[in-house]
Amino acid sequence: AQTVTQSQPEMSVQEAETVTLSCTYDTSESDYYLFWYKQPPSRQMILVIRQEAYKQQNATENRFSVNFQKAAKSFSLKISDSQLGDAAMYFCAYRYRDDKIIFGKGTRLHILP
Amino acid sequence: DTEVTQTPKHLVMGMTNKKSLKCEQHMGHRAMYWYKQKAKKPPELMFVYSYEKLSINESVPSRFSPECPNSSLLNLHLHALQPEDSALYLCASSQGPGTTYEQYFGPGTRLTVT
Repeated sequence: AQTVTQSQPEMSVQEAETVTLSCTYDTSESDYYLFWYKQPPSRQMILVIRQEAYKQQNATENRFSVNFQKAAKSFSLKISDSQLGDAAMYFCAYRYRDDKIIFGKGTRLHILP
Repeated sequence: DTEVTQTPKHLVMGMTNKKSLKCEQHMGHRAMYWYKQKAKKPPELMFVYSYEKLSINESVPSRFSPECPNSSLLNLHLHALQPEDSALYLCASSQGPGTTYEQYFGPGTRLTVT
């Protein structure tokens, strides 16, 4: 069975600094997609970044980038130049063939001014 | 436009009431989803509609009844709910089979069952 593990329930980072959120997953599939979603307090869940498993190149979206290690089944999110608006719950998610997404338990990120 | 809308934003209902949650998207997406999210927990998948047909039901109790009247609309009919059903109910949509499947979420309906 597929699982997604986020081992850091909470993290804090100083404004303008860089932070890395960890995610590992377990699967026997070779074709799948990985996502990071952000859910600010009492606000909408939004997609931050996605990674196709067949692509070796790490995905990047502005200040957000991933370190995708397929053999190690690791998918970490790096946030550069952290801003107050980055404070949120971050969910790592895995999707494969049957259109189901499996979410990790989330990491609550605090930004310190 | 990457918007999924949900109504109402908040709903309080008694255990004997019947109510419905509504979700709408106009992105031409062919898959729509209902999730239940408890506080400080990840979303839990309830139902998936693909091309207006129910494709996944995650063993959800029958007091929750989904309906997909057309490709843009998704309803969740509620009847005889229990207090433990109080949660944030999220709707999402995606392009559907053969795509990256990234899901776009609505803001949710916060449901309280008294």
